[in-house]
Amino acid sequence: QVQLQESGPGLVKPSETLSLTCSVSGGSMKAYYWSWIRQSPGRGLEYIGYVDYGGSTNYNPSLKSRLTISIDTSANQFSLKLSSVTAADTAVYYCAGLGATATYHFYYYLDVWGRGTSVTVSS
Amino acid sequence: DIVITQSLLSLAVTPGEPASISCRSSQSLLHSDGYNYLDWYLQKPGQSPQVLIYLGSNRASGVPDRFSGSGSGTEFTLRISRVEAEDVGVYYCMRSLQTRTFGQGTKLEIK
Repeated sequence: QVQLQESGPGLVKPSETLSLTCSVSGGSMKAYYWSWIRQSPGRGLEYIGYVDYGGSTNYNPSLKSRLTISIDTSANQFSLKLSSVTAADTAVYYCAGLGATATYHFYYYLDVWGRGTSVTVSS
Repeated sequence: DIVITQSLLSLAVTPGEPASISCRSSQSLLHSDGYNYLDWYLQKPGQSPQVLIYLGSNRASGVPDRFSGSGSGTEFTLRISRVEAEDVGVYYCMRSLQTRTFGQGTKLEIK
């Protein structure tokens, strides 16, 4: 069973870059599209984007200009960098894996999730 | 932008009774392949979300058969045939066509 664990600073200053890493264990990184989702009281659940095993990415257009998601397959990790953060970026950040369904191999849903890590943007 | 709306913010249900949660999309989620690109997730208290339903009406692996999804195009419903205490939490629909977008969530409580 694939397990995910987020890590990174819990406090980031405004205008700086938020950096998080997700460590993957218990399965192959090839089988999933590796995603980041965030949750805040004001914005609810927000899908941030994903990276695949080959490094191709898909970003939420609302965050694209500030966002980089990358993968390090040798370390079984993938990462999120969000630049120029403001208080609006304060949230719980989840890493998750989009996995293919057993029946419809063309379709992917958020099959595995980390426990989430809280990030506060404040000076 | 496509907007996903869950108009009911919360509902309280007696154990053993049914429950329905609705979700509306501002644009059709019916793909040209004939499938509706909508999922349902449940976030139990203190936990990460977990998938219940995908492609509008298909139960994910391990999901009890008291959960069912229906609808097409812009209107979708998640039904629980007999609510159990372990079903409490916030239910989210999420469109998976183009940019994945979640609804605001509907909180299920036990009476």
